[in-house]
Amino acid sequence: GAGVSQSPRYKVAKRGQDVALRCDPISGHVSLFWYQQALGQGPEFLTYFQNEAQLDKSGLPSDRFFAERPEGSVSTLKIQRTQQEDSAVYLCASSLAQGASNQPQHFGDGTRLSIL
Amino acid sequence: DAKTTQPPSMDCAEGRAANLPCNHSTISGNEYVYWYRQIHSQGPQYIIHGLKNNETNEMASLIITEDRKSSTLILPHATLRDTAVYYCIVRVATWGSQGNLIFGKGTKLSVKP
Repeated sequence: GAGVSQSPRYKVAKRGQDVALRCDPISGHVSLFWYQQALGQGPEFLTYFQNEAQLDKSGLPSDRFFAERPEGSVSTLKIQRTQQEDSAVYLCASSLAQGASNQPQHFGDGTRLSIL
Repeated sequence: DAKTTQPPSMDCAEGRAANLPCNHSTISGNEYVYWYRQIHSQGPQYIIHGLKNNETNEMASLIITEDRKSSTLILPHATLRDTAVYYCIVRVATWGSQGNLIFGKGTKLSVKP
């Protein structure tokens, strides 16, 4: 079946522009996670949704980062007034059940964001 | 901080078994051991996970020591396509816990012809 889909795959923006990154999770998956991966590093947690509720946003690096999942399916990560340090790969993952519950997370291939 | 320790890199000959070690000496009783891998320019791919018992699936085997302080991921017949960074992660798995993954630096496995 279809996996987690992210778009765009690549995004180039000028410093100061706003960007929006989209994640289509696996159909029926309750939990959705966003991660940020800097070059040469492992992914780092940004935020977590259970259905439409954003239960944890402790990993968002600043108030310029905003995520939503209004209908409990598709999620959008928005970055306002982008800065060069925002350049990274942004990964989305979904899992079937609430929280951990012994269910693996399945990842998309990410959006590579480059800020000039 | 990641709760696991892995060697930064390993080599393996094509067709041979690849054995990737992981130390997780502070693992708690309610934490699973998960393995993911990440091939260049792709997202992390789930491989296998376990709590106490050894596990096997179509991709790999997971061997967990009796004291649960370390584990080994085994790729029985490595191919060039198995070249990737392999992440060992311990993850709380109780109902109601969030379960976000904490990645370390992983092991870069290079499978050579």
